[in-house]
Amino acid sequence: QKEVEQNSGPLSVPEGAIASLNCTYSDRGSQSFFWYRQYSGKSPELIMFIYSNGDKEDGRFTAQLNKASQYVSLLIRDSQPSDSATYLCAGDYSGGSNYKLTFGKGTLLTVNP
Amino acid sequence: EAQVTQNPRYLITVTGKKLTVTCSQNMNHEYMSWYRQDPGLGLRQIYYSMNVEVTDKGDVPEGYKVSRKEKRNFPLILESPSPNQTSLYFCASSPGLANEQYFGPGTRLTVT
Repeated sequence: QKEVEQNSGPLSVPEGAIASLNCTYSDRGSQSFFWYRQYSGKSPELIMFIYSNGDKEDGRFTAQLNKASQYVSLLIRDSQPSDSATYLCAGDYSGGSNYKLTFGKGTLLTVNP
Repeated sequence: EAQVTQNPRYLITVTGKKLTVTCSQNMNHEYMSWYRQDPGLGLRQIYYSMNVEVTDKGDVPEGYKVSRKEKRNFPLILESPSPNQTSLYFCASSPGLANEQYFGPGTRLTVT
């Protein structure tokens, strides 16, 4: 069973702080990982994807992947109240004749003004 | 505008009454999926399609059917809905493997 685990939170940080969201996965078969943000009552939207070991930065967001330790993280610098949402980590286990994205249960982030 | 649309957005129905949730994308994507989202369980894949006439089961396919007769459409069919299918449903499309999925706005289904 391919599993992606996230701390459910909630995670609360003050405005301007760094928010750190973590995700671990059980199966080394995934080559790509995605971070989605989901506002309450809305659909998920992609923030970043990463498939190489190391860091990937995009504006205030940095994704980190460590395949040896099987974890993925998302850092949000200078957190804003508008970042308050549920963050979903997903591993892509597609290949051959199957198409499978396994999502974690999400971490609820609250950024306090 | 590139988008995935779902209809209806909200539906309340009774046990056993067949229903169809439509999904359409205008991005010419080959890959499409249906997910359900439940509190404490996260997003779980119901069915997926890798191309026209190519569909397969995801993690929770019981009680659902799908079809892919055209590239743009991927309807979800509940032949005999039951209360445990009360959930928030999302359709998503993607241009290919290891690519971003674009999600529809969601359909909130209540089965009484």
